[in-house]
Amino acid sequence: DQQVKQNSPSLSVQEGRISILNCDYTNSMFDYFLWYKKYPAEGPTFLISISSIKDKNEDGRFTVFLNKSAKHLSLHIVPSQPGDSAVYFCAASGYEKLTFGTGTRLTIIP
Amino acid sequence: EPEVTQTPSHQVTQMGQEVILRCVPISNHLYFYWYRQILGQKVEFLVSFYNNEISEKSEIFDDQFSVERPDGSNFTLKIRSTKLEDSAMYFCASRDPGQDIYEQYFGPGTRLTVT
Repeated sequence: DQQVKQNSPSLSVQEGRISILNCDYTNSMFDYFLWYKKYPAEGPTFLISISSIKDKNEDGRFTVFLNKSAKHLSLHIVPSQPGDSAVYFCAASGYEKLTFGTGTRLTIIP
Repeated sequence: EPEVTQTPSHQVTQMGQEVILRCVPISNHLYFYWYRQILGQKVEFLVSFYNNEISEKSEIFDDQFSVERPDGSNFTLKIRSTKLEDSAMYFCASRDPGQDIYEQYFGPGTRLTVT
């Protein structure tokens, strides 16, 4: 089941620069998309979401972009900070359940 | 800030034993979920629960699994006869009943080790 894919298992970014995390999906029935951040031995922490009727949502340093025709979403973090180092999961919702991607480990280099 | 809590943080059990994982969702939330993450794999949906009944379940959630909301605050996942492959992190999540609110808030997880 590869309905939600994050093709980059890891990403390193210099502190202060922009981090861009990508996610692709295949199921056109998904109508809501979310990004979660996860530290080891903790549960996923909700970051930001976007409805399929929008193409952008912004919350502070975090912006999510949705390209429905390409079935692609991305999370931009600017400026990146050392505390942003974690695993980031995108998730998609069509009814009740969330379908998660495999995650991207983001490392912010001081 | 309200949060989802889970107990125990780590449970070790022998194959074939029953386990109950406990969760206290955020107090005004009415939708409840269980997910699991096997080491090195993605977070997988198990079951959703609303209005005292299961609203959706995955193929993983077979007859060995059950959920219950025994009182106004707890939400439990029971595995009747554990198998080695049930070893995983189990996450409880809850969601606000408000319209157009889809964000699910997760607890810290219970690490289940089946030996």
